[in-house]
Amino acid sequence: EAGVAQSPRYKIIEKRQSVAFWCNPISGHATLYWYQQILGQGPKLLIQFQNNGVVDDSQLPKDRFSAERLKGVDSTLKIQPAKLEDSAVYLCASSATGAGNTIYFGEGSWLTVV
Amino acid sequence: AQSVAQPEDQVNVAEGNPLTVKCTYSVSGNPYLFWYVQYPNRGLQFLLKYITGDNLVKGSYGFEAEFNKSQTSFHLKKPSALVSDSALYFCAVRPPGANNLFFGTGTRLTVIP
Repeated sequence: EAGVAQSPRYKIIEKRQSVAFWCNPISGHATLYWYQQILGQGPKLLIQFQNNGVVDDSQLPKDRFSAERLKGVDSTLKIQPAKLEDSAVYLCASSATGAGNTIYFGEGSWLTVV
Repeated sequence: AQSVAQPEDQVNVAEGNPLTVKCTYSVSGNPYLFWYVQYPNRGLQFLLKYITGDNLVKGSYGFEAEFNKSQTSFHLKKPSALVSDSALYFCAVRPPGANNLFFGTGTRLTVIP
């Protein structure tokens, strides 16, 4: 079974530029998550989708971050304009519906803003 | 509010010795508990989870964890550490009714040859 796919793996941009990350979840997983992991910290949820609807985006900085999952499968996370403090790993994850199901993570997209 | 504490930023253990990585949580009700491992420049890999039932949970790579409700703890253990176990370990909790995870700050495990 293929895992969660993410691209690009690494990205370096200047502040005020924009960047987009793509994620393809495990086949059949209705729930998709984007987490932000800053160096030295645990991952923190940015946004959660159930199929193509948003379940929780309370921690998403909506003035600069946006995410979509138009067809209920793959998803894109965009940052525009980027700030230095956005330097982090952006982890996409997916799970089957149900609280007891395991959340599986991708390899992450490593963003450096200079 | 829910919280997860990993009181040790760093744990060092000699190869072949038993290891313990500690985790305590503060959540109302009966949460689901998870351990993940992160190797350098990699994403998080699932190790094991506690949903219900036996307090001792066995997972991948010989790891196990013991759920203790009275102490609100979920410590990760392995009887004999390997150098390849050296990595960053995260404890996570899913509160009742929630569908996402709340993570601790991580514990870096170093197994010394």
